Amino acid sequence: GENVEQHPSTLSVQEGDSAVIKCTYSDSASNYFPWYKQELGKRPQLIIDIRSNVGEKKDQRIAVTLNKTAKHFSLHITETQPEDSAVYFCAASSTGNQFYFGTGTSLTVIP
Amino acid sequence: SAVISQKPSRDICQRGTSLTIQCQVDSQVTMMFWYRQQPGQSLTLIATANQGSEATYESGFVIDKFPISRPNLTFSTLTVSNMSPEDSSIYLCSVATRPMGGIQYFGAGTRLSVL
Repeated sequence: GENVEQHPSTLSVQEGDSAVIKCTYSDSASNYFPWYKQELGKRPQLIIDIRSNVGEKKDQRIAVTLNKTAKHFSLHITETQPEDSAVYFCAASSTGNQFYFGTGTSLTVIP
Repeated sequence: SAVISQKPSRDICQRGTSLTIQCQVDSQVTMMFWYRQQPGQSLTLIATANQGSEATYESGFVIDKFPISRPNLTFSTLTVSNMSPEDSSIYLCSVATRPMGGIQYFGAGTRLSVL
């Protein structure tokens, strides 16, 4: 089955700086890569996703890049704000149904 | 999008007992999923609940321990059977808005503690 690795496990940045979280996957058939944000005690919420026919996608301060050859994808958050503090999960799916999640990155934005 | 109601939100149970968690969606969805999330950990897929057929379980999870029902396109239940303290976790249901590439939306989760 699919194996998704995520780094780093924790990340602290100063407000206004950028944050980058990286994930690698093992199954070359995976073609859909969502990112979820989970605040403490809350449910995971989709923040951005990318499909394998696209190399990059951007939504305001959030962007995701995908390198299919290397089997890795990354989340980029620019101009970080304290409300960006949360746990971020990447995921990969080949069927659009079964999602395999990374181990999570706890992001802290220091005011 | 989809609005998901999950209950109970939390429960404290005695070992050896069973708990059934309910998941209700405000629209008909093809795929419903059940995940387990240990505190501070990632989400692990337990099974995919298919309407009109048996659930599909991931490695390490079996029907006798986690029976699932999916009587229609808006509702599913997960039962945690014969519980032990190791079953203490957060259980989340999720739905995919369409087959083959649908975005997943999550319920608020059920925080289960087994004494």
